Parts: sequence; C-alpha cells; structure tokens
Amino acid sequence: DAMVIQNPRYQVTQFGKPVTLSCSQTLNHNVMYWYQQKSSQAPKLLFHYYDKDFNNEADTPDNFQSRRPNTSFCFLDIRSPGLGDAAMYLCATSREKGGEQYFGPGTRLTVT
Amino acid sequence: DAKTTQPPSMDCAEGRAANLPCNHSTISGNEYVYWYRQIHSQGPQYIIHGLKNNETNEMASLIITEDRKSSTLILPHATLRDTAVYYCIVRVSRSSSASKIIFGSGTRLSIRP
Repeated sequence: DAMVIQNPRYQVTQFGKPVTLSCSQTLNHNVMYWYQQKSSQAPKLLFHYYDKDFNNEADTPDNFQSRRPNTSFCFLDIRSPGLGDAAMYLCATSREKGGEQYFGPGTRLTVT
Repeated sequence: DAKTTQPPSMDCAEGRAANLPCNHSTISGNEYVYWYRQIHSQGPQYIIHGLKNNETNEMASLIITEDRKSSTLILPHATLRDTAVYYCIVRVSRSSSASKIIFGSGTRLSIRP
C-alpha cells in the first residue's frame, strides 16, 4: 500500500544533542510537510517542500531545519534540542499544493 | 484561511449517527471545508471536503448550509473506532500560496458502547 512512513516512531535525545527525524513516502507526491504537535494541542506546521522549493513558516525557530534529497525522502533536523522541543513530529504529503494531506504515524521526540 | 468554531467535545452511542457541527461564518467564496480526524497516538487522517454541495464518501457525509457559514460532518453508524479528535478546516484548494492546514482545537468525539 502507498503510504507515508516515519522512522523511528520514538526518539530520545539529550538536551543540545542534534537529532534527525526521517520521513519517506511511496505516494510520489510533490509536497511534503513537517508539523509539530505538543501534548493536548493541535498540529502546527513548521515548513513544507513543494518539489525542491522550501517554504518556512514565519514562526518556525531557526533551530529547526529540513532537507529533501529526493521526491521520496524528507528529513527534519533539530540542531540543539531544548526541553520545549519534546513533541510529536508529523510528516505529511499532498499531490499538489492545497490538496488533501496524508499523514504519517509521527515520531514522538523526548528530550532528556 | 477562515477560522472555524467547533464544540470541544461530544459523545454518541455506538451504532447511531454522529453529527459534528462546525461554524465558519467568515468563509470566502473560494475556500473549501475540509475535515480531518486524529485517533489517539496516530497522525491525522483526511476524511472529506466540499465547496458548496453536499458530499459523501465511504467514511462520512458532509452537509454544507446554503450560505456556507456552517457545516456538519455525519458519521452514519458510529463505531468505537471512530473515537477521535475531529478537525474542521477551511482553506483555499489548489492555491499556490495557501498550502498549509491551520488546525483549530477540534471536537473530541467519544463513542460509548
């Protein structure tokens, strides 16, 4: 089945230690998104790629970066995680901008 | 994108229809109504969307009022697996500048046996 895959499902990192979260898709969609969802809150968009075109949300901290080496893969890099960055990180895709989005299961990040 | 208002929580008996309301009184003519849901510890799942006409798919029906200021998502025969947070979102579709989904607080739907 075509799908959005996130690895790992659970990630523990230390305060200040860089961490990378991975997302892959078999849908061949043009757009890939990263959302952050903190406990009991709604998901919040961090940034998205339309093909190779990167679009950052205005309030996304500089600590968060992303890479999309090819259509199938997208990575979220957190350069110096703080305790406030503990959250669920959701990857999503859509065929085109504005279309319905398909979400992965998320990676729950713990910062110790 | 227009803001939406949803009740924070609802419950419904298993096997009955669950009707989830959403107000979007400031919706623009080119904005669609989308519904997503998020089951605990999973990513959000697309359910349905519409512009003016009522829509139905294998998961749900979407009823949009004639003035488009409100809508109702209907799950015709709710099951325990439908327990989730349901998000109503209005957004421009196929826009070059409006790719993002702005999630509101949603409605927490509980299905009771």
